[in-house]
Amino acid sequence: NAGVTQTPKFQVLKTGQSMTLQCAQDMNHNSMYWYRQDPGMGLRLIYYSASEGTTDKGEVPNGYNVSRLNKREFSLRLESAAPSQTSVYFCASSELPTANSPLHFGNGTRLTVT
Amino acid sequence: AQKVTQAQTEISVVEKEDVTLDCVYETRDTTYYLFWYKQPPSGELVFLIRRNSFDEQNEISGRYSWNFQKSTSSFNFTITASQVVDSAVYFCALSEPWGDSNYQLIWGAGTKLIIKP
Repeated sequence: NAGVTQTPKFQVLKTGQSMTLQCAQDMNHNSMYWYRQDPGMGLRLIYYSASEGTTDKGEVPNGYNVSRLNKREFSLRLESAAPSQTSVYFCASSELPTANSPLHFGNGTRLTVT
Repeated sequence: AQKVTQAQTEISVVEKEDVTLDCVYETRDTTYYLFWYKQPPSGELVFLIRRNSFDEQNEISGRYSWNFQKSTSSFNFTITASQVVDSAVYFCALSEPWGDSNYQLIWGAGTKLIIKP
């Protein structure tokens, strides 16, 4: 019963390097999300995909791009990493992009940019 | 703008004590949903409860209970007879319309709960 799977769990990048965070869910959910979590700030939405084939910006999209590869997979790309992107990244999914759909989260990726 | 405030940054109690985590929200919507999530030391976020704005009944699930009061815009979470396994960061969140017909969650900053044996 995997739920939401994120890879990698840890990553260290140098400023300017690029990387892609992978996320897959096996719950047949329509909607997927990428959040970042910083100390004392709760979670902030980076991008989301309400359904397969659509992606939209969240609260803090600058410096990121996303791809909804298929219904199961939603990747987050950092084209040119900056120290301000040091954070813990969470992928989540929900059955629908509606107000009452609870989110199911992956275990997170801890990213450090030096 | 919608907002969620968890004023308690950190709470520390001794095992078996009762503890209440506060959550105050601001919204102009008449229909909305509130959520609580738990983040144990292992790091994953776990959904605990969802409450809609039309249902002000308190909810109890084992040692957990939630008190939703629309008049004070609060959705507080009480753990009765706390246990060490309850140690975690707890987040309160509020649904907000986003885009044409979608919603996103507005998160509080979280309350770190430490249960000492």
